[in-house]
Amino acid sequence: DQQVKQNSPSLSVQEGRISILNCDYTNSMFDYFLWYKKYPAEGPTFLISISSIKDKNEDGRFTVFLNKSAKHLSLHIVPSQPGDSAVYFCAARLNYGGSQGNLIFGKGTKLSVKP
Amino acid sequence: DTGVSQDPRHKITKRGQNVTFRCDPISEHNRLYWYRQTLGQGPEFLTYFQNEAQLEKSRLLSDRFSAERPKGSFSTLEIQRTEQGDSAMYLCASSLFRWLRAEQFFGPGTRLTVL
Repeated sequence: DQQVKQNSPSLSVQEGRISILNCDYTNSMFDYFLWYKKYPAEGPTFLISISSIKDKNEDGRFTVFLNKSAKHLSLHIVPSQPGDSAVYFCAARLNYGGSQGNLIFGKGTKLSVKP
Repeated sequence: DTGVSQDPRHKITKRGQNVTFRCDPISEHNRLYWYRQTLGQGPEFLTYFQNEAQLEKSRLLSDRFSAERPKGSFSTLEIQRTEQGDSAMYLCASSLFRWLRAEQFFGPGTRLTVL
């Protein structure tokens, strides 16, 4: 049973336009959400995060929005650049018993930004 | 470079052999995590340490897998009697445990191929 879902395996966007990557989750006990970017043959690189007590976090061209009632978060990249082409993973941390341990990842969305 | 490092980057072995991977975390980080990633999937949690203590193990971590972090610094992940299903990318991540943050920083991974 997938607790973090990225329903779009791929997304293609023109350079300069907005990229919107979506993520849905099922567990109300998630307290922190993160986005990672991954290039082939490399480990995931941390991009941006948001606590469950917030609804928006912005860092340069990247903004993450959290809608807790819909159990949905999204990553906006504006403007998109060819170097943004990568696989993007949504991840969530399960906070239970005070342990605050591992992250649960979605399957990823491959973003292609065309010049 | 003060990021997370992993060694080796690639390992090819025959079924039934034992393999060991090493991870060196970011020096001031007290938490260290192991994940496994297969094609088309996001990283899946295996286990994590806080300092020397192994705090959590996933059901994915069969008896053939063992991880150690003897002095709270580097960690090793050993797989005994490898099977073809163990072929995957093994990722290590580290973090500085803080109640309100969850960012983990990943190494480049070790790609294991079991023939």
